[in-house]
Amino acid sequence: AQSVTQPDIHITVSEGASLELRCNYSYGATPYLFWYVQSPGQGLQLLLKYFSGDTLVQGIKGFEAEFKRSQSSFNLRKPSVHWSDAAEYFCAVGAGSNYKLTFGKGTLLTVNP
Amino acid sequence: DAGVIQSPRHEVTEMGQEVTLRCKPISGHDYLFWYRQTMMRGLELLIYFNNNVPIDDSGMPEDRFSAKMPNASFSTLKIQPSEPRDSAVYFCASNINSYNEQFFGPGTRLTVL
Repeated sequence: AQSVTQPDIHITVSEGASLELRCNYSYGATPYLFWYVQSPGQGLQLLLKYFSGDTLVQGIKGFEAEFKRSQSSFNLRKPSVHWSDAAEYFCAVGAGSNYKLTFGKGTLLTVNP
Repeated sequence: DAGVIQSPRHEVTEMGQEVTLRCKPISGHDYLFWYRQTMMRGLELLIYFNNNVPIDDSGMPEDRFSAKMPNASFSTLKIQPSEPRDSAVYFCASNINSYNEQFFGPGTRLTVL
């Protein structure tokens, strides 16, 4: 079965600084990979996804992620963080034909002014 | 479109009571997912439906939990009897097929006293 690890429970960055959130997955073949964002009291919103092809994926709100098969990673990046990016971020993996997603435990992002 | 609609948004009940959570997926979506989110266990998939038929309920924690989808525009998740450890945020999500984006509702925050 697939699994996802987000090593960082909580990250604090200053507004305008760059951001990288880590995600490692476990699956024998090429997985489907997703990043979702959850603002307080809200449901999850998709930031970006990787199915195949170009390993650098662009998403909404200026986010991007890079799939690295050799490292089993799908890290999320943003060059300059805005205060409105403060939220919880979830990496998810899907595999096979059962269409289920397995989510990581999430990384809480705090943005200092 | 109004997005995925869940009701109620908040539910406070006493141990032993029956709880019914409701979900209206986005019109035209043929997959519906129920998730539970807790601090300890993160986001867990409980059950999902395809064309109103339950496909995988392996995530349902025990027999006290049941889910139905009587038609394409309505699903319920029922807990009977409820226990304090069922306290969590329950999300419903829908999508149009397979690994495309899952659209999440705002969630129902359940507190069992």
